[in-house]
Amino acid sequence: GQNIDQPTEMTATEGAIVQINCTYQTSGFNGLFWYQQHAGEAPTFLSYNVLDGLEEKGRFSSFLSRSKGYSYLLLKELQMKDSASYLCAVLDSNYQLIWGAGTKLIIKP
Amino acid sequence: DTAVSQTPKYLVTQMGNDKSIKCEQNLGHDTMYWYKQDSKKFLKIMFSYNNKELIINETVPNRFSPKSPDKAHLNLHINSLELGDSAVYFCASSQVGLAGGPSDTQYFGPGTRLTVL
Repeated sequence: GQNIDQPTEMTATEGAIVQINCTYQTSGFNGLFWYQQHAGEAPTFLSYNVLDGLEEKGRFSSFLSRSKGYSYLLLKELQMKDSASYLCAVLDSNYQLIWGAGTKLIIKP
Repeated sequence: DTAVSQTPKYLVTQMGNDKSIKCEQNLGHDTMYWYKQDSKKFLKIMFSYNNKELIINETVPNRFSPKSPDKAHLNLHINSLELGDSAVYFCASSQVGLAGGPSDTQYFGPGTRLTVL
């Protein structure tokens, strides 16, 4: 079966750095997405990785290792507004987006 | 200039009723989707439409029927509502879909919170 694993919840301090991991086992791979979802709101696109390596976009970076079936989202200089759920999703060989359950990130002052 | 819009935002109804949720996107995207997010916050794909053809139909009850009058709209009709249908339903769209790549990025509507009493 297809599986995406992420930690359920993480806590970090304002101004710090946090890394949210995602491991996946899917039938084929056509890219990996990270989305942010604030409570009561819709998911919004953060990043897309299809090649190995690190993609940096401001305070957020996303890393991919296809051989390990592994990705992480790195958030730097954490702000209170970063408190949200972070969803990992993989596009499989049928171009279906397989979603993880999300990681709830709690930022403390 | 909302990209993906849904109506209504909140829907409270009795068991057994029939209801519809509307979705419109003005991004010129070819593919639209419906997701269900339950209390555990897990997003489950229900349907997707590409150029008015159903291309994904997960094992959802046939009480749920998507209807796409044109490329910019994908409505969700639900018959004989049950308590377990209570959830947030998200509409989304992507530029292409089934292409692999950034064009598969999905843009979500604000969600419709359905409560069945």
